[in-house]
Amino acid sequence: EIVMTQSPATLSVFPGERATLSCRGSQSVSSNLAWYQQKPGQSPRLLIYGVSMRAAGIPARFSGSGSGTEFTLTISSLQSEDCAVYYCQQYHNWWTFGQGTKVEIK
Amino acid sequence: EVQLVESGGGLVQPGGSLRLSCAASGFTFNNYWMIWVRQAPGKGLEWVANINRDGTEKHFVDSVEGRFSISRDNAKNSLYLQMNTLRAEDTAVYYCARLQFLEWLLSYYMDVWGKGTTVTVSS
Repeated sequence: EIVMTQSPATLSVFPGERATLSCRGSQSVSSNLAWYQQKPGQSPRLLIYGVSMRAAGIPARFSGSGSGTEFTLTISSLQSEDCAVYYCQQYHNWWTFGQGTKVEIK
Repeated sequence: EVQLVESGGGLVQPGGSLRLSCAASGFTFNNYWMIWVRQAPGKGLEWVANINRDGTEKHFVDSVEGRFSISRDNAKNSLYLQMNTLRAEDTAVYYCARLQFLEWLLSYYMDVWGKGTTVTVSS
């Protein structure tokens, strides 16, 4: 099983500032990496797939980068509506998720 | 509008059974692989089972192998998860999701999710 590890567990950012979330795989997942946003009481929402491709309707302030085992989700200018838990997921070998990073407003 | 709506959750005793359903609309259901994912209370996400377009290929996470089965009825645009011999650790919100094929990587990611149905296993 490929284990995905996210850091930090919680990220506090001022409105308008950049948020950087990290995700590491226990082995290479090639470019089979997605990011999901989950708000309380809601289902996950696809943000990014293929490491850096934004899903339909996702604002340009969300971007993904990385390769192999190290990946990053960047929110360029944090908005209040971006407060949520963010999960990375690999789909290279079945599907496994990171434990999540909670993003909150400072 | 592309939509997935789960139903069938509830409270069940350990050792009991439940059948979850997922009704799909707004897309050609039989063109897509489908998947069930669960989330235990306050926890992260876990893949449970997936099925190919015509129902001939199915895979399960080890913890449910032999207890859960997955099926689909393409004529009814519906996905199912039969859960038997339920345990307390199966307590979770169960989501169905659509798998989107990524041609350049020959892989599948989850692009559309339902709102989920809650399963509670307790005496």
